[in-house]
Amino acid sequence: QSVLTQPPSVSAAPGQKITISCSGSSSNIGNNYVSWYQQLPGTAPKLLIYDNNKRPSGIPDRFSGSKSGTSATLGITGLQTGDEADYYCGTWDSSLSAGVFGGGTKLTVL
Amino acid sequence: EVELVESGGGLVQPGESLRLSCAASGFTFSSYSMNWVRQAPGKGLEWVSYITGSSSSIYYADSVKGRFIISRDNAKNSLYLQMNSLRDEDTAVYYCARALRVGTTKQIDYWGQGTLVTVSS
Repeated sequence: QSVLTQPPSVSAAPGQKITISCSGSSSNIGNNYVSWYQQLPGTAPKLLIYDNNKRPSGIPDRFSGSKSGTSATLGITGLQTGDEADYYCGTWDSSLSAGVFGGGTKLTVL
Repeated sequence: EVELVESGGGLVQPGESLRLSCAASGFTFSSYSMNWVRQAPGKGLEWVSYITGSSSSIYYADSVKGRFIISRDNAKNSLYLQMNSLRDEDTAVYYCARALRVGTTKQIDYWGQGTLVTVSS
């Protein structure tokens, strides 16, 4: 049982847009920055979004992040087959003094 | 270019110990906090431990507290994870991961390729 809650899966057609939610509490998302990671099959995670809504250099603007209260959302527009991956949200939990991740969301581009 | 290379994984029996290493390059290692994150086969990411650049602050997940020890050698640009009293449920790919910014930020940017630890009799 993860501290952060994500939907297990999401799917959409190429060219469409999706959102992935990440729900937490005041001790984690509510008071700390949220990051999002993409994990392609058989590879290490890759940073997509940091500081809730910033993109590292090289990450296309098809990827976006937002945060409101104790929830965060990852958005992906113009879906491509290469976007098929597992997506994780992560942050710090100040009460646990521990890093926490969501359970992951598998994106299928039909 | 930032590079993190883990080593030391392998097959061990329950109750045994293992020491993982992570060789860092491409940045000023001593200025960055570092993490270990693991992923059991077919499962999600689980944060394991965090250490600041000076080793002044260290945190552990409850699941490994008292059994694992994180450490670093800034002169060798290396991060370590000493894993004792290993259990079946510690079986996972272990990733070395760098903090996003200089200082004590907890966000992670770069990840190594991972090293597989298998605990089985």
